[in-house]
Amino acid sequence: EAGVVQSPRYKIIEKKQPVAFWCNPISGHNTLYWYRQNLGQGPELLIRYENEEAVDDSQLPKDRFSAERLKGVDSTLKIQPAELGDSAVYLCASETARGLAGVNEQFFGPGTRLTVL
Amino acid sequence: GQQLNQSPQSMFIQEGEDVSMNCTSSSIFNTWLWYKQDPGEGPVLLIALYKAGELTSNGRLTAQFGITRKDSFLNISASIPSDVGIYFCAGMPGYGNKLVFGAGTILRVKS
Repeated sequence: EAGVVQSPRYKIIEKKQPVAFWCNPISGHNTLYWYRQNLGQGPELLIRYENEEAVDDSQLPKDRFSAERLKGVDSTLKIQPAELGDSAVYLCASETARGLAGVNEQFFGPGTRLTVL
Repeated sequence: GQQLNQSPQSMFIQEGEDVSMNCTSSSIFNTWLWYKQDPGEGPVLLIALYKAGELTSNGRLTAQFGITRKDSFLNISASIPSDVGIYFCAGMPGYGNKLVFGAGTILRVKS
């Protein structure tokens, strides 16, 4: 079974430019997450989708970040315009619908390493 | 927001040695998870803990969910070179809530 696919793997842009990341979750996984991982830190949640609905975007900087998951499958995360501080690894994760215990395993993609110059 | 304090920040050990790392929080978590991240990859789940006091093993790895629900530890026995990587603890404060990650423990193994 294919894992979570992300592209591109690396992106270098100049500040004030736009950038977009793409994620294809594991087939059948209804829940999709975007995380940002700064150097030397753990991942931090940006947004969570249940199918096509964004159910937790409280930590998404909405002035410059946007995300969509139009058909409830793959998703894009966009930054416009990018700032120097946006340099980080952007991770996508997916999981199946939560069971009775409320917890399921999140499977992470390899991430997109963004460098803003 | 909620934070997890993970220690140590890094370890450089001899192959065959046992390793211990832990995670603490000022608030209660209902789920504790331990992940490993290799360079250029996303984190991979190693062990999940769902009950206070729970002790769970996965091969050479053993993790425990603290009785107070504010801490967890991970032990690796008889380390091998492929154990090298960054280990993250993660907690979930309530059922269905988001994961909060620690800053990670970098493990290096000298063979």
